[in-house]
Amino acid sequence: GNSVTQMEGPVTLSEEAFLTINCTYTATGYPSLFWYVQYPGEGLQLLLKATKADDKGSNKGFEATYRKETTSFHLEKGSVQVSDSAVYFCALKLGNEKLTFGTGTRLTIIP
Amino acid sequence: EAGVAQSPRYKIIEKRQSVAFWCNPISGHATLYWYQQILGQGPKLLIQFQNNGVVDDSQLPKDRFSAERLKGVDSTLKIQPAKLEDSAVYLCASSSNPGQPYEQYFGPGTRLTVT
Repeated sequence: GNSVTQMEGPVTLSEEAFLTINCTYTATGYPSLFWYVQYPGEGLQLLLKATKADDKGSNKGFEATYRKETTSFHLEKGSVQVSDSAVYFCALKLGNEKLTFGTGTRLTIIP
Repeated sequence: EAGVAQSPRYKIIEKRQSVAFWCNPISGHATLYWYQQILGQGPKLLIQFQNNGVVDDSQLPKDRFSAERLKGVDSTLKIQPAKLEDSAVYLCASSSNPGQPYEQYFGPGTRLTVT
């Protein structure tokens, strides 16, 4: 079946550091890929998406590129802020099937 | 535009008791989802409604979980009787277009603790 494997957390970084959260997937076809973010006390929000190979999703300074050859969708940000502290979920959807989420990565940014 | 509303936000019950969660989706959203998020795991879809009909309930433990969306608007998820392993956050989400999952809007969740 389809699955998503995320970098295990927690991840702790200093403000302005470079961020990478790894995400790889297994799917029987070519899924759409997503990053969701969950801020403390809030519901999940879509952060960015990519629907086909080589697409780059971007939002709020975060980027992720759909790499078919490595089945990856790593999340990056050049300079993190304290307000980026949250839990980040990688997810995929294939056709009309349901969203499949990774286990989440907790990110803490220290001032 | 008001977001997805859920209540209660927190609930503590003893095993074998029953509990119900309520969700009010964004106005006009025909599709409603209930997810279970166990600590350290990603959300898992329990049930998906399109208006008041069930689209997917393949991962709903039907011996103890039930859900309804009688008027195609708000929804209730019930657990009876609860087990310790039901401790989780229960998320409700809604969308206007089930074919575009990035349009799912999530509520803040209900954190259930079963003791």
